Amino acid sequence: AQRVTQPEKLLSVFKGAPVELKCNYSYSGSPELFWYVQYSRQRLQLLLRHISRESIKGFTADLNKGETSFHLKKPFAQEEDSAMYYCALSEGGGNKLTFGTGTQLKVEL
Amino acid sequence: GAVVSQHPSWVICKSGTSVKIECRSLDFQATTMFWYRQFPKQSLMLMATSNEGSKATYEQGVEKDKFLINHASLTLSTLTVTSAHPEDSSFYICSASFTSTAGYTFGSGTRLTVV
Repeated sequence: AQRVTQPEKLLSVFKGAPVELKCNYSYSGSPELFWYVQYSRQRLQLLLRHISRESIKGFTADLNKGETSFHLKKPFAQEEDSAMYYCALSEGGGNKLTFGTGTQLKVEL
Repeated sequence: GAVVSQHPSWVICKSGTSVKIECRSLDFQATTMFWYRQFPKQSLMLMATSNEGSKATYEQGVEKDKFLINHASLTLSTLTVTSAHPEDSSFYICSASFTSTAGYTFGSGTRLTVV
């Protein structure tokens, strides 16, 4: 069975500080990994996915198959980054997503 | 593009009544839709996967007779909570995969409160 683990429920950083949101997964095949963000009172939005290797809003994430991790990073946190972040895994091909428990990021001034 | 519209955004109903939640894909055809449930400060739990024209596939522990899912067209899936009870109160979110590789898009969610 596939599983996604986000060990931190809450991460609080100061503006301008680096951010790393941790995500580990367990899956026997070749998964697709995603990061979704949910701003206050808004719907879930795709932040990035590993196959596209993009940098969105300054965030990057690299799939490390050896460590089964897909940590989300940003060198300098902005106040507008405060939100709930979910790591998710799919078997691919439009199959169901399995979500981690989410990490609330709070960027303080 | 790839917008999913979910209605209603919130609903309050009495115990024992049924509530229908609609999820529409506005500018694409969603062959597969997913229904999630989210408890306060918790993650999204997949309830079921629905494919257009066929029966939904329910996750373990989800009562299919209680949570009726219909996906009669490529642009509409509905979730009906039958004989609702207070413990069914939750946030329900639909999602659609819009091509086999392009990803997923989410509805804005429905807050159900059963009194």
